[in-house]
Amino acid sequence: GAVVSQHPSWVICKSGTSVKIECRSLDFQATTMFWYRQFPKQSLMLMATSNEGSKATYEQGVEKDKFLINHASLTLSTLTVTSAHPEDSSFYICSAPDRTSEQYFGPGTRLTVT
Amino acid sequence: DQQVKQNSPSLSVQEGRISILNCDYTNSMFDYFLWYKKYPAEGPTFLISISSIKDKNEDGRFTVFLNKSAKHLSLHIVPSQPGDSAVYFCAASKPGSGNTPLVFGKGTRLSVIA
Repeated sequence: GAVVSQHPSWVICKSGTSVKIECRSLDFQATTMFWYRQFPKQSLMLMATSNEGSKATYEQGVEKDKFLINHASLTLSTLTVTSAHPEDSSFYICSAPDRTSEQYFGPGTRLTVT
Repeated sequence: DQQVKQNSPSLSVQEGRISILNCDYTNSMFDYFLWYKKYPAEGPTFLISISSIKDKNEDGRFTVFLNKSAKHLSLHIVPSQPGDSAVYFCAASKPGSGNTPLVFGKGTRLSVIA
């Protein structure tokens, strides 16, 4: 099946710094990618929809200036957590639907902000 | 407001027996339902899905049942195997072009005891 990769798989950063997470569709093109966040023992919550060639659409309560999304190409979307705080520590997962609309998930990125 | 609910955070089943995972939803606009399996620190992997026009879908040891009037679906795994031990997420989506995000439940941790 289709493969979606994420990089890095885990990252530790200091409070106030920025962290960039990449999501790549390896063998298919994705005009849309989704970014989810999962807190411990919680469900995956949609943060934003990344659209190639246009602005991302954010879910209510998600700060677009804090979570910058750039869908640079048909195979790459990036999520940058700016001025990270400890409460941003979470598991971030992206997904991308292929041309049959089946969604494939990346392996996730665990972010820890100290 | 949780639109997709998995009220059992955990379930333990003996190897060889049937595992039944339940999911309820509140949004009548949902027309497609999916089950994902997730291991710690990994992204979810697709297991089985069902369209709202069906009431049952079967794939090997996995069967999903949908009761639209009750807004309830369940995943049956039979026979259960130790390798099935994971967190299972129920997800739902609304009609769209296919590139619509998923709404997830909080997950149920299944432990299959040998």
